[in-house]
Amino acid sequence: EAQVTQNPRYLITVTGKKLTVTCSQNMNHEYMSWYRQDPGLGLRQIYYSMNVEVTDKGDVPEGYKVSRKEKRNFPLILESPSPNQTSLYFCASSLARPTGPGGANVLTFGAGSRLTVL
Amino acid sequence: AQSVSQHNHHVILSEAASLELGCNYSYGGTVNLFWYVQYPGQHLQLLLKYFSGDPLVKGIKGFEAEFIKSKFSFNLRKPSVQWSDTAEYFCAVMIKAAGNKLTFGGGTRVLVKP
Repeated sequence: EAQVTQNPRYLITVTGKKLTVTCSQNMNHEYMSWYRQDPGLGLRQIYYSMNVEVTDKGDVPEGYKVSRKEKRNFPLILESPSPNQTSLYFCASSLARPTGPGGANVLTFGAGSRLTVL
Repeated sequence: AQSVSQHNHHVILSEAASLELGCNYSYGGTVNLFWYVQYPGQHLQLLLKYFSGDPLVKGIKGFEAEFIKSKFSFNLRKPSVQWSDTAEYFCAVMIKAAGNKLTFGGGTRVLVKP
């Protein structure tokens, strides 16, 4: 089944304790992205990647790192989490280059990771 | 930078009522437009999309949206809602020239009373 898999789905941690949220897709998608969802603010992009070893900042990159060593994986790293990073995080992927009308630019989302930083 | 505005943060209506959610964006060039839905406790799912052609697009579950280029709008409609349409709805704009970046609106929570 084509999907984006995130882990963990739920995590409670403390300020300053490094954590990684993994994201993996099995659709051979070139484009991957991380979003955080906060009430009233919708989804805001943290980082995105157009391909292996190609990453770029989104709208709210502060406090986050990413890597894209393999096409299928795009982990989100919080080196020193703070309470304002408490949020619901979504990973998503899509084909970067259109292959025809329709689905190339449609994002497939993971199920979300709810992170609480105390 | 482009932005997406959803005017209503919360909408409460009864079953069989009609629904219209507003979405406006700020970008003068070519855009791809989307509506995503997030049912309680679930991840985002694509409701419908507009890439080109007929500005009135039909999506799943009886939803449709109309792209009005002159108004920079992409409003979502459903003639008769059901209790199962209770969800949060997000409008999104993608600009290829900006590296496929997808910018979301703030979302509209819709509660349909049975």
